[in-house]
Amino acid sequence: SQQGEEDPQALSIQEGENATMNCSYKTSINNLQWYRQNSGRGLVHLILIRSNEREKHSGRLRVTLDTSKKSSSLLITASRAADTASYFCAVSGNTPLVFGKGTRLSVIA
Amino acid sequence: EPEVTQTPSHQVTQMGQEVILRCVPISNHLYFYWYRQILGQKVEFLVSFYNNEISEKSEIFDDQFSVERPDGSNFTLKIRSTKLEDSAMYFCASSELGHSNQPQHFGDGTRLSIL
Repeated sequence: SQQGEEDPQALSIQEGENATMNCSYKTSINNLQWYRQNSGRGLVHLILIRSNEREKHSGRLRVTLDTSKKSSSLLITASRAADTASYFCAVSGNTPLVFGKGTRLSVIA
Repeated sequence: EPEVTQTPSHQVTQMGQEVILRCVPISNHLYFYWYRQILGQKVEFLVSFYNNEISEKSEIFDDQFSVERPDGSNFTLKIRSTKLEDSAMYFCASSELGHSNQPQHFGDGTRLSIL
């Protein structure tokens, strides 16, 4: 299965701290995507990193990809209460996106 | 910014009835998707649709399910003979190009409750 699996399942931090979430997968991929889901809402695309890229930035987000270890990390710097959400990685090869179970991030003001 | 819109936001239906969930994808997108998320579980792919036909479907998407693009804007998911276990959030998504290399844009979902 190409399924991405996030780690940790839940993370609680203080506002202003950095949050790091990890994703592992099992097979070769074309790209890896990170999504955010606020409670009761749809998924919002955050960032896409291709298999030939190692790092990508978008605002306070930094994503790394290590294809040798089949893993990715999402770093949110200077977290805010509004960052409280579930974060999912989704891997894509020649099949539809497969989402992991997500990391539930709580940012405490 | 263009959005994917879904209606209704909440649908309550008796077991055995048919339901139709509606979606309006982003207008210049060519690929459309339906996903399901049972409460507390992961988002699961159901089906993708391109050029007026199903391009891929998962094991979940059996004969009970069907999709249609009845006009130039709507994309619907029909569930026949609903079962209790069909209760879930159903998300529609769209992308400009195929799923492999494009971000997908999701609607806020329809919460389906089967009684």
